[in-house]
Amino acid sequence: AQSVTQPDIHITVSEGASLELRCNYSYGATPYLFWYVQSPGQGLQLLLKYFSGDTLVQGIKGFEAEFKRSQSSFNLRKPSVHWSDAAEYFCAVGAGGGYQKVTFGTGTKLQVIP
Amino acid sequence: DSGVTQTPKHLITATGQRVTLRCSPRSGDLSVYWYQQSLDQGLQFLIQYYNGEERAKGNILERFSAQQFPDLHSELNLSSLELGDSALYFCASSGWTGLWNEQFFGPGTRLTVL
Repeated sequence: AQSVTQPDIHITVSEGASLELRCNYSYGATPYLFWYVQSPGQGLQLLLKYFSGDTLVQGIKGFEAEFKRSQSSFNLRKPSVHWSDAAEYFCAVGAGGGYQKVTFGTGTKLQVIP
Repeated sequence: DSGVTQTPKHLITATGQRVTLRCSPRSGDLSVYWYQQSLDQGLQFLIQYYNGEERAKGNILERFSAQQFPDLHSELNLSSLELGDSALYFCASSGWTGLWNEQFFGPGTRLTVL
């Protein structure tokens, strides 16, 4: 069974500082990996996804993530955080084959201080 | 705006009652997914429908059921409600583009059971 671990429940960074959110996954085959962002009172928005190929993927809003198979990790990074990035971030792993079942991590709440 | 709509936005009801949540997918999307987000369980996949047929089942309780209609909208029925069913219920939809179909999330329905 697939699973996702986000070890950090809360992270606080200063505006302008760099950010790295950790994600570890467990999946038997080549995973489909995602990062979603959820702003307060909003639905989930896809930031980026990894299916195959280049292990460094670029997403929206200046985010990127790196897939490291040897570490079963898919960490999300941003070089300079903006106050509007304050939200909850979810890492997710998907099983394909037409079933599209997505398993989400528990989320990391990002607080941005001026 | 993802193009996925959910109604109602908020729902307050009492234990033992039955409610119906509605989801309209993005135009042209054949798949609909239901998720439950609660503080203690996180974001959990409930069920997937594809073109009117159930495709995959997750952690959906027997008291819950769903269906997808010929016009592709979907309804999630929750019965014999318990306090623990209070949560945010998301619907997502996807089309078919190959190996993996990106899921677009609606804004959610917040259910409060008193």
